[in-house]
Amino acid sequence: DTAVSQTPKYLVTQMGNDKSIKCEQNLGHDTMYWYKQDSKKFLKIMFSYNNKELIINETVPNRFSPKSPDKAHLNLHINSLELGDSAVYFCASSPKTVDDPTETQYFGPGTRLLVL
Amino acid sequence: EDQVTQSPEALRLQEGESSSLNCSYTVSGLRGLFWYRQDPGKGPEFLFTLYSAGEEKEKERLKATLTKKESFLHITAPKPEDSATYLCAAINFGNEKLTFGTGTRLTIIP
Repeated sequence: DTAVSQTPKYLVTQMGNDKSIKCEQNLGHDTMYWYKQDSKKFLKIMFSYNNKELIINETVPNRFSPKSPDKAHLNLHINSLELGDSAVYFCASSPKTVDDPTETQYFGPGTRLLVL
Repeated sequence: EDQVTQSPEALRLQEGESSSLNCSYTVSGLRGLFWYRQDPGKGPEFLFTLYSAGEEKEKERLKATLTKKESFLHITAPKPEDSATYLCAAINFGNEKLTFGTGTRLTIIP
């Protein structure tokens, strides 16, 4: 029943490792997003995909690579993890179209990443 | 650059004590202003979208209003279950991304 789901919920790993976070939405939306929420709760967009095509790519280290195998999934792969990558990562989706970007975004429960 | 500022950072109210949260935005050509609620350990939950100055929307004890420079989230006779962080976000015509404020952490004391 969950509209936007993420796995895993918690991720604890060592510096230098590579990890992936998965996101799936069952809302039939065309657009999906990745956000990073830091320790001060500031939520900042990282990437956006529309129908498997990258449309927003903020200034994010190229160690972060999103992958969209189909429009219901948007995964985030992170190479060579650093201490500063520790944060909560949220996936979101919206029925947004290119002509109307104001459609509501629905967020997943978040993945809490801790890099040691 | 687009900027969204929320105040206060934290607010403690007695149950039943009404108040307002502020969101001021500097966005060139506002296309939409959003309010979300975020509970600890969860993702933001959509509350309202406002599109033009003068617009108001209501849901239970919450009412959101919009002017040309800011939005207010009025909470009337709040209950402890209204305790959460309230996030404001804006999107402009030239950009397709939501810019979020840092939120107001609201605590309602029984």
